Amino acid sequence: GAVVSQHPSWVICKSGTSVKIECRSLDFQATTMFWYRQFPKQSLMLMATSNEGSKATYEQGVEKDKFLINHASLTLSTLTVTSAHPEDSSFYICSARTRRDPSYNEQFFGPGTRLTVL
Amino acid sequence: AQSVTQLDSQVPVFEEAPVELRCNYSSSVSVYLFWYVQYPNQGLQLLLKYLSGSTLVKGINGFEAEFNKSQTSFHLRKPSVHISDTAEYFCAVTVSYNTDKLIFGTGTRLQVFP
Repeated sequence: GAVVSQHPSWVICKSGTSVKIECRSLDFQATTMFWYRQFPKQSLMLMATSNEGSKATYEQGVEKDKFLINHASLTLSTLTVTSAHPEDSSFYICSARTRRDPSYNEQFFGPGTRLTVL
Repeated sequence: AQSVTQLDSQVPVFEEAPVELRCNYSSSVSVYLFWYVQYPNQGLQLLLKYLSGSTLVKGINGFEAEFNKSQTSFHLRKPSVHISDTAEYFCAVTVSYNTDKLIFGTGTRLQVFP
């Protein structure tokens, strides 16, 4: 149980175009999902917290107009990279939160999406 | 603010040998600690966690970790590794009052050779 999927797993796009990445919780409902970014040989950095039915909360330094997040249902959150540039090339990972353990909010992670902007 | 340091970016080891992956953290408040494993083209999978209680925690796949508050460490160990343990391992920390905010280390690549 608690499987999270991402689509696509790999995307290449031209500079200036927009790219949408989907994150789905397959066998559970997630009112909260998270989007992370991972540069090569670096740690995962939290970009934003996505809440179903409300606006996302962005971490300091993350451009909300560039990284649009929509959490339209309890099983789907999308991240749209608008007007992508080569510096946006990265590995994007989502996670979905559950409350199976009352002690803490456990996150289940998707497999990630590798974005390459040419 | 919290931070996590994984001193070893790569750890090569032969099959059936013991291994220790090091993790140190910095925090002025109570924390929860985690180890995640990431296999190629897969998401992060929780290996084990420390929330409270016994400082020696056992996880999946034969891994264990010991929380050492005085040394602010949470090293991961396995007495005998398999080829299938080859993966990227991430240490992470969160504060007990806001467990949504996971802070990750930079990861350690464990490479097991036959």
